[in-house]
Amino acid sequence: DAGVTQSPTHLIKTRGQQVTLRCSPKSGHDTVSWYQQALGQGPQFIFQYYEEEERQRGNFPDRFSGHQFPNYSSELNVNALLLGDSALYLCASSDPLTSRSYEQYFGPGTRLTVT
Amino acid sequence: AQKVTQAQTEISVVEKEDVTLDCVYETRDTTYYLFWYKQPPSGELVFLIRRNSFDEQNEISGRYSWNFQKSTSSFNFTITASQVVDSAVYFCALSEAVDGGSQGNLIFGKGTKLSVKP
Repeated sequence: DAGVTQSPTHLIKTRGQQVTLRCSPKSGHDTVSWYQQALGQGPQFIFQYYEEEERQRGNFPDRFSGHQFPNYSSELNVNALLLGDSALYLCASSDPLTSRSYEQYFGPGTRLTVT
Repeated sequence: AQKVTQAQTEISVVEKEDVTLDCVYETRDTTYYLFWYKQPPSGELVFLIRRNSFDEQNEISGRYSWNFQKSTSSFNFTITASQVVDSAVYFCALSEAVDGGSQGNLIFGKGTKLSVKP
């Protein structure tokens, strides 16, 4: 049973560039959430996707956008990168239709460095 | 506003010692969920436990135990007879129910870094 997978593992970008991060949820999960974790901090919620639509959004600018595909995989896009966007980006999946719907399972993350 | 506070930034213990990680939360909702996650150096967050606001029963799982007290808004985590493999950053998180019961986003504390020395 494959868990949550994310790609790439590491990424280095330059200020002003755009980046796309990818996530495949755990088998049987249809809800995907994205979090940003700065060094030494707890993860912060970016947004959540369910049925290919953004269902909730945290306090992040419009430069952060996402997409969910029919197979439940998801992308996180960040435009006009800033140095402050350097962080570990975590994807989490869950299945809201089961008794364990409140358990989010996290992937290994993508480490983004903006120079 | 919802908030999770983990006052202990770093804790260092010697193997076999017991250690308690503190978590205090704030929420105005009556229905909410509390979690503990472990983050080893590899970076992946590992789910440890979920508690809902209606269940104040303490829980024990092997060397791990959790003490949920609504009166003090605390959800503390104790590791008994700690081992070197327990070294990691531990996060407490809060989630509120939305949309007729579905899960809201997770609000994390800043984490407590636990170092267990041999």
